[in-house]
Order: sequence, then structure tokens, then C-alpha cells
Amino acid sequence: DTAVSQTPKYLVTQMGNDKSIKCEQNLGHDTMYWYKQDSKKFLKIMFSYNNKELIINETVPNRFSPKSPDKAHLNLHINSLELGDSAVYFCASSQGGARNSPLHFGNGTRLTVT
Amino acid sequence: KNEVEQSPQNLTAQEGEFITINCSYSVGISALHWLQQHPGGGIVSLFMLSSGKKKHGRLIATINIQEKHSSLHITASHPRDSAVYICAAFYGGSQGNLIFGKGTKLSVKP
Repeated sequence: DTAVSQTPKYLVTQMGNDKSIKCEQNLGHDTMYWYKQDSKKFLKIMFSYNNKELIINETVPNRFSPKSPDKAHLNLHINSLELGDSAVYFCASSQGGARNSPLHFGNGTRLTVT
Repeated sequence: KNEVEQSPQNLTAQEGEFITINCSYSVGISALHWLQQHPGGGIVSLFMLSSGKKKHGRLIATINIQEKHSSLHITASHPRDSAVYICAAFYGGSQGNLIFGKGTKLSVKP
């Protein structure tokens, strides 16, 4: 059983489109995250949710909107996609936050905007 | 400014060598994570520590709070250890944040 699964694995789309990436964890964790890894492989937090509530919202364009219908799911919706949004997006989860426990990552979604 | 610096950026080793990757950070961290990113892109958590030393198989992680420094050691390195190793420091309290280093790309040659 996959612990943190995100779909799709690859996403190729044109500028201006709206797309979503889904993430689900079956570990019973209370905290979920979205990270962005740029072309230089640098990871950066985008959002963090604890028990469905937004905890961290870094400086991310408001075209990015996370949604957590329950604590096992954290989806990422992106409006009006731009070339600069091309990156690998990782979902992750932990119990009690990264201060207290290790992160479990999904396999990533490679987004290419053309 | 909360920063995480890793060195070296790239590392090539022969199979069997002892490897050390270094990570330094600013004051005030609550925890430090070591992650491994496989060539295929997946990320795995290796260690989370706030003091002392942890060991798992051939991997050892240490942290020196006073010196604001952590190291990841790999003993008897093997080509399958080839990956990017990422250090990440947790700054802040309950609403704190992980700040990532830029990673160390390790290549172990047979």
C-alpha cells in the first residue's frame, strides 16, 4: 500500500489552463504539505495543513489554492498556469508536524507548462 | 535570516569509501532532517534529530547544537547510495517551517 500517493505523476498543459493535483495519505497523519522543487532541485514549502486547517501559506501566488476535504487529503488547484509554474510538486505528510516527526513524501508530480 | 548550507555540492566516491556530507544552519532550530532523493525523483526521510547521533544501517547522522552543524556519514559506500542528500532545518514553533539546503549530489563508482 502506498503511504502518500499523488496524481497525476506527469502533467503537461498550456499556459492559462487550470489544473489540479491530488494527494492522499493512508498513514493517519494529522499534517500534510505541498512542496515545490524548482529546476535547480531546490525544495520549498508552499502550504501546510494540520487537521484540515491551513497552518503555513508561504509567499505563493493566489493562483495556487490548496483544499483539504479531510485530514487524509490535500489537493492543489492551480489557476491560470504560467511558464514559471513548471516544476515538480511534492505532497508530504507527518504526524504532529516536521518539528516532531519525519516526513513521508509522495512520488511527485512533474508539471510542465508550455 | 534562516538558512541551511550544505557541503559539498557534488561528491564522487569509490565504492567502499567513507562519506561525509555537512550541513550548517542558523540559530533556533527545533529539529534537523536528512532526506535522500533517488535518481528517479522520489524523496525518502533518512533521519530526524534534535541532538546527539542516530544510526541506521550504514548511515549515521550527528548534530552539534553548539556549533550549529550536522553531518551525514555513509560507511562502506555502495553505488546504490548514489543520490542527492538534502538537509532541512525546522525553524520556529508549532507553526514553524522546514528550510531546505540545496542538496549534495553523491555518485559512488564501482
